[in-house]
Amino acid sequence: EAGVTQSPTHLIKTRGQQATLRCSPISGHTSVYWYQQALGLGLQFLLWYDEGEERNRGNFPPRFSGRQFPNYSSELNVNALELEDSALYLCASNLDRAGQPQHFGDGTRLSIL
Amino acid sequence: SQQGEEDPQALSIQEGENATMNCSYKTSINNLQWYRQNSGRGLVHLILIRSNEREKHSGRLRVTLDTSKKSSSLLITASRAADTASYFCATDSYSGGGADGLTFGKGTHLIIQP
Repeated sequence: EAGVTQSPTHLIKTRGQQATLRCSPISGHTSVYWYQQALGLGLQFLLWYDEGEERNRGNFPPRFSGRQFPNYSSELNVNALELEDSALYLCASNLDRAGQPQHFGDGTRLSIL
Repeated sequence: SQQGEEDPQALSIQEGENATMNCSYKTSINNLQWYRQNSGRGLVHLILIRSNEREKHSGRLRVTLDTSKKSSSLLITASRAADTASYFCATDSYSGGGADGLTFGKGTHLIIQP
């Protein structure tokens, strides 16, 4: 069974630009979660998508957004990039069944110059 | 915001010894999970313990949960060099509406000396 895949592995942008990160969940999983892991801040919950809808978001500004496609894959978009957006962005998936563990991809390393 | 706090922040032991990591959290939970992260990689799910469980085992892993103290511990027995990684606890406080995002602690960095 293929795991959660994320692309690209690395992404380098400059301040003010926009970044798009992609995630393909494990086959059969309907929920996709996005997390930010920044130095000194730990893992922070960003967004949760299920069945194409945004179900919940963490304490992040609106310039962090995304969507989920009919095949359950997902995109995370970050607009007006700031230096502090430099982080590892992790995607996870699970069945939308309460209390199920989340399965993580290897992340996209976003660097803002 | 961080829910859990792992203790210690870093731990270095000899191969073959046992490693114990602790986690404290603040709010009510439905379950608590432990994950491992090798340097720069994604998280690997280790074990999930539900709020009505007190102890759970999986191979060399033993997890305890004390909801009255809002704390959990992860014990790795007979440690191996390959266990070197960061370990995170994560709380799941899903509401009746379904799954929610996990709230992670800051992690314990475990180093196994050969």
